[in-house]
Amino acid sequence: DMKVTQMPRYLIKRMGENVLLECGQDMSHETMYWYRQDPGLGLQLIYISYDVDSNSEGDIPKGYRVSRKKREHFSLILDSAKTNQTSVYFCASSLGGTLYFGAGTRLSVL
Amino acid sequence: QQNVQQSPESLIVPEGARTSLNCTFSDSASQYFWWYRQHSGKAPKALMSIFSNGEKEEGRFTIHLNKASLHFSLHIRDSQPSDSALYLCAVSPNNAGAKLTFGGGTRLTVRP
Repeated sequence: DMKVTQMPRYLIKRMGENVLLECGQDMSHETMYWYRQDPGLGLQLIYISYDVDSNSEGDIPKGYRVSRKKREHFSLILDSAKTNQTSVYFCASSLGGTLYFGAGTRLSVL
Repeated sequence: QQNVQQSPESLIVPEGARTSLNCTFSDSASQYFWWYRQHSGKAPKALMSIFSNGEKEEGRFTIHLNKASLHFSLHIRDSQPSDSALYLCAVSPNNAGAKLTFGGGTRLTVRP
């Protein structure tokens, strides 16, 4: 069964702290994504990664950066988190155009 | 930049009803169209996709696509309480390394 794993599931940080969200997949998919989900806005693409060290900005990359050093692992980093980055973050990998999502990380920045 | 809009924002229907969800997109070069379903507190999961004009049926679910009208829809026959979820439409210009743009979602509630 295809699986995308996100850690942690819940996270509370103070404004200005650094945040690391981690994502792993066991399917050797080349393409991986980070989305954030806010009420009424659907899923907004932050970054897309086409393979190791081959990353591209999505629609809302400001305030975020990513790292992909192994095909199965994709990290999202928030340097000096802001309160407007409070959201649910989803990682996904894709095969044949279909996205497979992790369970999400609920991040609160106070 | 692709703009994807869904309507209605929310919908309440009785069990057994036929439900219709709508999605419009702005980029006429779009090639691939998906519906994802997200139950409360869970990850979105692909439900159905369509790549050419017309209709595609899978069980109780049917997608209609009209590229000329920049519109596609999801129809649910004999709606069940287990269909209650957030439905997200998504559009992509291509299939390889698909950069999906999602709509804001329609929250469907099916009353027993």
